[in-house]
Amino acid sequence: KQEVTQIPAALSVPEGENLVLNCSFTDSAIYNLQWFRQDPGKGLTSLLLIQSSQREQTSGRLNASLDKSSGRSTLYIAASQPGDSATYLCAVRLNDMRFGAGTRLTVKP
Amino acid sequence: DTEVTQTPKHLVMGMTNKKSLKCEQHMGHRAMYWYKQKAKKPPELMFVYSYEKLSINESVPSRFSPECPNSSLLNLHLHALQPEDSALYLCASSQVAGDGGYTFGSGTRLTVV
Repeated sequence: KQEVTQIPAALSVPEGENLVLNCSFTDSAIYNLQWFRQDPGKGLTSLLLIQSSQREQTSGRLNASLDKSSGRSTLYIAASQPGDSATYLCAVRLNDMRFGAGTRLTVKP
Repeated sequence: DTEVTQTPKHLVMGMTNKKSLKCEQHMGHRAMYWYKQKAKKPPELMFVYSYEKLSINESVPSRFSPECPNSSLLNLHLHALQPEDSALYLCASSQVAGDGGYTFGSGTRLTVV
């Protein structure tokens, strides 16, 4: 059974810092990995989708990497802003999508 | 703007009520999903409709029943719910093929009193 783990569970940083969120998964047989952002009480907003054949994807200040063989992905956020405060979830897809528990990020002004 | 629309955004219902949650997508996706999410927990899969065929998470109680009128609509009928069913209910859609990502709606916040 696929297990997805996200470290750290919570992170607080001052504005402007670069930061890395980590995601690991136990079964490397995946189609893709997706990073989501979730604001409190809201739905999930897709940030980046990485196919199993890809190594990384970039969107603006966000960069996600995937090392399928080691079961790891990282989400890099450059020059963090208070508006980045949210919970970040990673999820891997094979027959269905399995989620990690998320990292709650707080960016302080 | 999300391409998966969920209504209502908030719902308060009594334990004897019958209500329905609605989800609609216009992306031509042939797979749609219902997830339940409790506070500070990841979403848990409840149902999958793929090419109008239903797959059920066997842990979901029968007081939840999905309905797929067509490939762009997915409803969740609620009956005789319990207070512990209070949660955020999320709808998502995707291509059936495994290389597609998921698109989520903004969710329905359900409170059972």
